[in-house]
Amino acid sequence: AQSVTQLDSQVPVFEEAPVELRCNYSSSVSVYLFWYVQYPNQGLQLLLKYLSGSTLVKGINGFEAEFNKSQTSFHLRKPSVHISDTAEYFCAVSPLKAAGNKLTFGGGTRVLVKP
Amino acid sequence: SQTIHQWPATLVQPVGSPLSLECTVEGTSNPNLYWYRQAAGRGLQLLFYSVGIGQISSEVPQNLSASRPQDRQFILSSKKLLLSDSGFYLCAWSVHGGASDTQYFGPGTRLTVL
Repeated sequence: AQSVTQLDSQVPVFEEAPVELRCNYSSSVSVYLFWYVQYPNQGLQLLLKYLSGSTLVKGINGFEAEFNKSQTSFHLRKPSVHISDTAEYFCAVSPLKAAGNKLTFGGGTRVLVKP
Repeated sequence: SQTIHQWPATLVQPVGSPLSLECTVEGTSNPNLYWYRQAAGRGLQLLFYSVGIGQISSEVPQNLSASRPQDRQFILSSKKLLLSDSGFYLCAWSVHGGASDTQYFGPGTRLTVL
């Protein structure tokens, strides 16, 4: 079984400041890692995902994440946020050899960007 | 291009009433389909997934059920709703592939059980 912990439930940040959202996971098998974003009252959309190779993954809207296998972490960062980045962010994992893509999500981190 | 639809967008139902939420996908064939629930202040929980017509896997025991009567149609049902069934229900699809595939989410249905 897998579990995902997002250490911060809410992160207030000023516009143009950097932000880091923390994600740690636990799994007895190898996993793929994902970050999804949910804007208010909408479904989720993929920001980025780590499958293999370089541990630094770049996604949409200027976000990037770094996979650290030894620390079982996959933290998300953006060097300069915009008001439009106000949303909830979810980290998720999927076992490599699962039938279908069975995502286990963390509890989410709400980012509120202040002017 | 592919699109995913969910309806209704919002629903208010009394305790004990039945439920039927529908999800349809356009522009792809033989997708994997998923139902998630997002309770207030909590993350997403996978309820059901399907890799083909009539094939449903349940992830969490509960009073909900799912069906896939057609290739691109996924239905979430209940015979008698509980207060604890309130939440935001999201349908998603992915290509019929593996664990690395991106899931694409619908706009969701907000269910309030009173």
